[in-house]
Amino acid sequence: AQTVTQSQPEMSVQEAETVTLSCTYDTSESDYYLFWYKQPPSRQMILVIRQEAYKQQNATENRFSVNFQKAAKSFSLKISDSQLGDAAMYFCAYKEGEYGNKLVFGAGTILRVKS
Amino acid sequence: DTAVSQTPKYLVTQMGNDKSIKCEQNLGHDTMYWYKQDSKKFLKIMFSYNNKELIINETVPNRFSPKSPDKAHLNLHINSLELGDSAVYFCASSQQVHPGQGVRRAKNIQYFGAGTRLSVL
Repeated sequence: AQTVTQSQPEMSVQEAETVTLSCTYDTSESDYYLFWYKQPPSRQMILVIRQEAYKQQNATENRFSVNFQKAAKSFSLKISDSQLGDAAMYFCAYKEGEYGNKLVFGAGTILRVKS
Repeated sequence: DTAVSQTPKYLVTQMGNDKSIKCEQNLGHDTMYWYKQDSKKFLKIMFSYNNKELIINETVPNRFSPKSPDKAHLNLHINSLELGDSAVYFCASSQQVHPGQGVRRAKNIQYFGAGTRLSVL
């Protein structure tokens, strides 16, 4: 079974600085998707960024980018120019292949942003 | 319009009661899900339906019964509520990619509702 590990229960960053959240996963599949979801205090789950395993290029979405290392099974999220609104719980998630359904989530990392 | 909407947002009830949570999506997706987020914030899938057919059932007590009257709705009924059922329940939806659809569709993103916080006293 696939597993997703987020080894940082909590991280802090100063406003306008850069922070990296770690995620590793375990799978025997070669075709899969990886996601970062954000859960602010409002509880809503918001998709931040998505990476397809068959693409070597790292995904980017504005201030958010990933470092996808397929051989190492690592998928970290970098947040540049951190803003107060970035404070939230961040979840790394794995989905098997194009036809897989369920998301397997990591335990989450709480990100605190200091002004 | 909210894409995936769940009702109610909060549900407080006594042990032993039966309760339902409703979910509706207006994204035109054919697959819907229920996830449970426990007190430690850990998220785990419970069920998934594709076009009203159950496709995932992850070792959930049979007190939990999902019902999908059509592909836009997935409700969760819970019988004989227990203290351990207290959690936040999230509904989600996505468009399933089927074998033979040809061009690879880099979609299959799951969109989540706002969650229902269930408290069993």
